Amino acid sequence: DTEVTQTPKHLVMGMTNKKSLKCEQHMGHRAMYWYKQKAKKPPELMFVYSYEKLSINESVPSRFSPECPNSSLLNLHLHALQPEDSALYLCASSQEGGRLAKNIQYFGAGTRLSVL
Amino acid sequence: AQTVTQSQPEMSVQEAETVTLSCTYDTSESDYYLFWYKQPPSRQMILVIRQEAYKQQNATENRFSVNFQKAAKSFSLKISDSQLGDAAMYFCAFQGAQKLVFGQGTRLTINP
Repeated sequence: DTEVTQTPKHLVMGMTNKKSLKCEQHMGHRAMYWYKQKAKKPPELMFVYSYEKLSINESVPSRFSPECPNSSLLNLHLHALQPEDSALYLCASSQEGGRLAKNIQYFGAGTRLSVL
Repeated sequence: AQTVTQSQPEMSVQEAETVTLSCTYDTSESDYYLFWYKQPPSRQMILVIRQEAYKQQNATENRFSVNFQKAAKSFSLKISDSQLGDAAMYFCAFQGAQKLVFGQGTRLTINP
């Protein structure tokens, strides 16, 4: 089973709202990732968690706040977003972080976010 | 920094025919991995095939195969016997010591 589950599938929010995206995997993976993907563009890395600790933050604005409550869950808390933050947000997981062959990243289907 | 270049924004192929998607990359690392991911309209990124840089033998997965030319830093994907379900955006990706780096993608259309 190589399933990464993301909820919700779609989200519409105003610029003053607070919302959260959720990602879950039960493959025993210890690294989890958030990516942002604009239309017709490749995914861009936002955050990496390794063993439940934030290991990479790609200079993402503070209105995006990641959280890793346990090894299976990854959340992305959203607050005071801008219309340009509208995008597909993808979650991925891998056995560990880094470049080893076993660290293939498996992706979820994403959350389509629209900020009005 | 690593870069990945896909020079074909769009490709089309007749059903049952063969198509090749191009990818080149630039790196100073010697130990790395290369991937092709497929993203259909359902949005999920699906791993198609991977290649370890230290292996000279080209990877194959059923109808999908790669032509890995390490010296030329080239990593093309060949899809044989194209099927309607192969229609998607295809991303070439590089994994070295740091993050996974994607190319800009090639949109593949399958004509029935």
